[in-house]
Amino acid sequence: DGGITQSPKYLFRKEGQNVTLSCEQNLNHDAMYWYRQDPGQGLRLIYYSQIVNDFQKGDIAEGYSVSREKKESFPLTVTSAQKNPTAFYLCASSRDVGDTQYFGPGTRLTVL
Amino acid sequence: AQSVAQPEDQVNVAEGNPLTVKCTYSVSGNPYLFWYVQYPNRGLQFLLKYITGDNLVKGSYGFEAEFNKSQTSFHLKKPSALVSDSALYFCAVRDDSPGGYNKLIFGAGTRLAVHP
Repeated sequence: DGGITQSPKYLFRKEGQNVTLSCEQNLNHDAMYWYRQDPGQGLRLIYYSQIVNDFQKGDIAEGYSVSREKKESFPLTVTSAQKNPTAFYLCASSRDVGDTQYFGPGTRLTVL
Repeated sequence: AQSVAQPEDQVNVAEGNPLTVKCTYSVSGNPYLFWYVQYPNRGLQFLLKYITGDNLVKGSYGFEAEFNKSQTSFHLKKPSALVSDSALYFCAVRDDSPGGYNKLIFGAGTRLAVHP
């Protein structure tokens, strides 16, 4: 899992609550990504950031928000607007968009 | 449209036998192709990539992949499978289309089961 950390490993949320997933990297990478993984559906891109203070929506951004105030950090907030948030969330980084991505260990979010 | 396909949901192989996990792609320009492996409840680990050059790419843990431009394929191979190779494997291609911003597009994954 290299120099990318995600916390917490497991997260439980009540319906109607916002939760924030942490992602930190010490690889000095410019680009960072958030993916959602559901059984049998592979990885779907939520948001990505090419550089500090910039981020772009991916394929399934609705109900999620991000910030990129520091190069090392790319937190993801799962808002109450996300109708089905139970999933495995993966953060990744790369030197630049299109380069080899390196992944964190993931956070499993469960809505109670 | 840029895309990648893994036609097999699962591949079963006996330990010691060669294994192949298939991947086909569709891109408008020169393909940048990647293979990753995921063990249960873990993040993805990079195995290898093809950018240009030799069609046979060698990667981590004894894996290699063969790039075939005419068949638009990038199959993952290993000469002798280990039980510990059992995992979920993802193929990915760089999206070089306008608006793709060079993001990676991942296949749905292929589950490899190696039996003793």
